[in-house]
Order: sequence, then structure tokens, then C-alpha cells
Amino acid sequence: GQNIDQPTEMTATEGAIVQINCTYQTSGFNGLFWYQQHAGEAPTFLSYNVLDGLEEKGRFSSFLSRSKGYSYLLLKELQMKDSASYLCAVPTDSWGKLQFGAGTQVVVTP
Amino acid sequence: DGGITQSPKYLFRKEGQNVTLSCEQNLNHDAMYWYRQDPGQGLRLIYYSQIVNDFQKGDIAEGYSVSREKKESFPLTVTSAQKNPTAFYLCASSMDDRGGQPQHFGDGTRLSIL
Repeated sequence: GQNIDQPTEMTATEGAIVQINCTYQTSGFNGLFWYQQHAGEAPTFLSYNVLDGLEEKGRFSSFLSRSKGYSYLLLKELQMKDSASYLCAVPTDSWGKLQFGAGTQVVVTP
Repeated sequence: DGGITQSPKYLFRKEGQNVTLSCEQNLNHDAMYWYRQDPGQGLRLIYYSQIVNDFQKGDIAEGYSVSREKKESFPLTVTSAQKNPTAFYLCASSMDDRGGQPQHFGDGTRLSIL
């Protein structure tokens, strides 16, 4: 299986920007997913990167470098509702089995 | 509305008892998955199914069993052999099992030991 690393927790103030890094070691690599999970709820899909570079979706952007085994999720103009855990996940093979990181808890303060 | 329905939301298991968690989807997805999540940890794959009447073990299949008799349904049984079943169980589905298809999750079932 893969070794996926994310910071455990990050704190930022409302309106600020936060960057969540994710590093991984994998074989049979076929893209990287980011999910958001509010406390006590199910994860919801945020983004998928299969090519190197930056994908922007409104306030959220995701970057991938396959050669470096590195991705980040950028959250801009932080809102209180962005307080959640952010999980990166990598397919382990072409069957779409996902290996999840432990998640990064983002705390947004007023 | 299309989605994934898990039931019950909360479940309690007695010692030596088998319990079954329900997962139904009306998204017409081929692939379905069961994950376990423990506090402060990521999701770990228990079982997955690519098509009806076929399923594969994930990383932590011991003490669990599944069936896939219908495309819409993928129930998970937590057997008495699973000695530490207390966790948040999540069912997911995706259009197919090829990379790039996002998985969509149900609301989860919280299982506790009495």
C-alpha cells in the first residue's frame, strides 16, 4: 500500500488562505482525489487531479506533481463553514481502490 | 433524488452477535465500497465490488462479510469474529471501478458494542 502523509491540523483566520499538503508513494498511480469531511458526516468529493498542474474550482484549487509524489489543496477566502477535515486519496490500482490519508483538520477562527 | 442510503444511522452490537449494515444506491453505479473510519484516522477499505455477484477483500476484511446480489445493494455483515467493531462505517459507490471516477458516500452508520 501507499504511504500518504498530511499534516494533522492547521488553523487559519476567516478570509485567509490555507494550503494543505499531501505527499505519497505509489505504484499504478492514476490520479489524486481530495475530499472534505465535516465532523460526524460523510466525505464529499472536492477535486480530482490526473495531470500535473493546478486545477481551480472557485475558492478551492488543487495542485499535483506526479514526479514528486506531491499535491496540495488551496483554500482561499476562508469561511467558518470550511472548518472540516480534508482527506487526500490515491487510487492503488486501476480498479479505483482508494488509499486515504489520515486527513488534515482545518480550524477557521473569527 | 439520487443517492446512497445507509441504515441504520446508529447500531449497537452485543457480544457474539452478527449485525448487518445496509447500503442502497439509486445512482446506477457499478462499483460499491465499504470503509471503516476510526477517530482521527482516514478511511480503510473493508470490501469492494465492481459488478453484481462479485466482490474483493480490501485491506481489513477479517471479521466482515458482504454480498452483492443486486446492483443497488451492498450489505455489510460485522461478524462476532470482529473483536473491535466500534467505528464509523461508510458505504460508497462510483460509476465504475476505473480510476478518475469519484466515489460518493452515504451518511454512514455508527456501530458500538453494548
